[in-house]
Amino acid sequence: DAGVTQSPTHLIKTRGQQVTLRCSPKSGHDTVSWYQQALGQGPQFIFQYYEEEERQRGNFPDRFSGHQYPNYSSELNVNALLLGDSALYLCASRFQGSGNTIYFGEGSWLTVV
Amino acid sequence: SQQGEEDPQALSIQEGENATMNCSYKTSINNLQWYRQNSGRGLVHLILIRSNEREKHSGRLRVTLDTSKKSSSLLITASRAADTASYFCATDERNNDMRFGAGTRLTVKP
Repeated sequence: DAGVTQSPTHLIKTRGQQVTLRCSPKSGHDTVSWYQQALGQGPQFIFQYYEEEERQRGNFPDRFSGHQYPNYSSELNVNALLLGDSALYLCASRFQGSGNTIYFGEGSWLTVV
Repeated sequence: SQQGEEDPQALSIQEGENATMNCSYKTSINNLQWYRQNSGRGLVHLILIRSNEREKHSGRLRVTLDTSKKSSSLLITASRAADTASYFCATDERNNDMRFGAGTRLTVKP
């Protein structure tokens, strides 16, 4: 049973460019969340997708958008990249409902130069 | 916004010693979870404790929860060099997604 998988693992982009990160949730999970983790910091919640809709959003600008597909996989898109967007982007999945364990992928390292 | 706040920010101990990390939070929660992260990797779930529980054990891990003080602690007994990692607490409020603190960086010296 594969856990949460993310791609790509590392990428480098230039300021102003756009990036798409991908996530496949753990088998049986229907809810996907995205987190941004800057070096030395804890993960910061970006948004959560359930039933192909954005259900919750953290304090991130509209440059950050996402999508969830019918097979529950998800994408994170970031437009007009800034140097400050350099971080580890983590995808997490769970079965919807309170008290359910959230499982994380290994993350995608994004460097903006 | 952050919810859990871990203390201390960094902890260095010798192999075989116990390590205790604390977490404080601000609002009512449904449950609290502890995670571990090796450098630059994803987060690994360690233990979940529900708001109506006071203590939970898993192997060498012991977690306590005091909802009146809005605090939790993670105890790792008989630490090993392989326990070196960052440890995060995360709170689950109102069936919402997890909110993390900045973590405790644990170093276990062989």
